[in-house]
Amino acid sequence: DTGVSQNPRHKITKRGQNVTFRCDPISEHNRLYWYRQTLGQGPEFLTYFQNEAQLEKSRLLSDRFSAERPKGSFSTLEIQRTEQGDSAMYLCASSIGTGGQETQYFGPGTRLLVL
Amino acid sequence: DQQVKQNSPSLSVQEGRISILNCDYTNSMFDYFLWYKKYPAEGPTFLISISSIKDKNEDGRFTVFLNKSAKHLSLHIVPSQPGDSAVYFCAASPNFGNEKLTFGTGTRLTIIP
Repeated sequence: DTGVSQNPRHKITKRGQNVTFRCDPISEHNRLYWYRQTLGQGPEFLTYFQNEAQLEKSRLLSDRFSAERPKGSFSTLEIQRTEQGDSAMYLCASSIGTGGQETQYFGPGTRLLVL
Repeated sequence: DQQVKQNSPSLSVQEGRISILNCDYTNSMFDYFLWYKKYPAEGPTFLISISSIKDKNEDGRFTVFLNKSAKHLSLHIVPSQPGDSAVYFCAASPNFGNEKLTFGTGTRLTIIP
């Protein structure tokens, strides 16, 4: 399967713990996006990478959140000192990244529950 | 502020009939629009898109219409099938180098056999 993959699919953690999620984009895609979706809402943009460069971060991404894409391939999203309000589905998407009107393809998401 | 709006949280349609899902947007900088379908516990699946230079795009049973002057788009599914039951999200992106998507809140479509 050559789609976007995300691991883990589910994560339950206690408040105050750190968690890290991984995203593997479609292999030839240069752009990688992170979104967050809460119940009853559409996905909300968090950040995106063009190759290894992080080009934009939403104001939703507090200082406790950090994302990396060290070699321009997979990406990790870390949340430090988790809070109950961080409970959500974290979605990764990728696109070709040549610019213009591109379709983003999403992975299955990581569902985070903070107790 | 909600720049992309889907005002119908839910819609029920008889199998075989047409399903019409609506979406409105407020940001004039949006020039590319997409529809995604989402099943529970899965990521959104791309369905169909349309550029602002067109007013219609068709792919099999799915057709998207864009009315730029009204800032409105719609997704038509004909004929509707039970497997179409899902949540449908409208999304939009501007064309200035960053294609981050702004999503609506979704419409839950239920196809009644």
